[in-house]
Amino acid sequence: AQSVAQPEDQVNVAEGNPLTVKCTYSVSGNPYLFWYVQYPNRGLQFLLKYITGDNLVKGSYGFEAEFNKSQTSFHLKKPSALVSDSALYFCAVSLSGGYNKLIFGAGTRLAVHP
Amino acid sequence: EPEVTQTPSHQVTQMGQEVILRCVPISNHLYFYWYRQILGQKVEFLVSFYNNEISEKSEIFDDQFSVERPDGSNFTLKIRSTKLEDSAMYFCASSGPPGTGGEAFFGQGTRLTVV
Repeated sequence: AQSVAQPEDQVNVAEGNPLTVKCTYSVSGNPYLFWYVQYPNRGLQFLLKYITGDNLVKGSYGFEAEFNKSQTSFHLKKPSALVSDSALYFCAVSLSGGYNKLIFGAGTRLAVHP
Repeated sequence: EPEVTQTPSHQVTQMGQEVILRCVPISNHLYFYWYRQILGQKVEFLVSFYNNEISEKSEIFDDQFSVERPDGSNFTLKIRSTKLEDSAMYFCASSGPPGTGGEAFFGQGTRLTVV
């Protein structure tokens, strides 16, 4: 069965420091990997995706993620965190072209402190 | 920028009543989805819809639930005989035709409270 794991419930980082939000997945076949962000009382906003090609993908708001096939990971990163990055981040995986259902991780709350 | 819109933003209903949650997907999208998020839990897939029929549904999506695309723009989720445990945030999403990337775009959600 397909699954996504986000091992950290919360990540705390000081503003200006680099951040990493971890994600690992378990799927059969080639995964399509996504990161979404959810601000309070808002919907899910698409940040970035990996389908094929370069393992490092860049997305919105300065975020990037690195696909590691051998470790089945897709960690979200940002070189310099902003207080406004504080939100709930979800990793998700899809199969077969990305048009099938998304399987979400449990989410990681990112808290960036001034 | 095109967006998925959902109405209402908040719905309170009595247990046993029927509710209809409404969504207007992005206009050129072909794939439509409903997800739900019970407070404090992960986002769960309910159903996907393509070419005017359900393409996949989860075990959550039983006979209590139905979806419909009654016209060229709306996509609805009907929940019959609501139960307390149906209280959740319901998200509609849509994604574009093949070749456009496959990412789903989500609406702001409808918070359903069953009392």
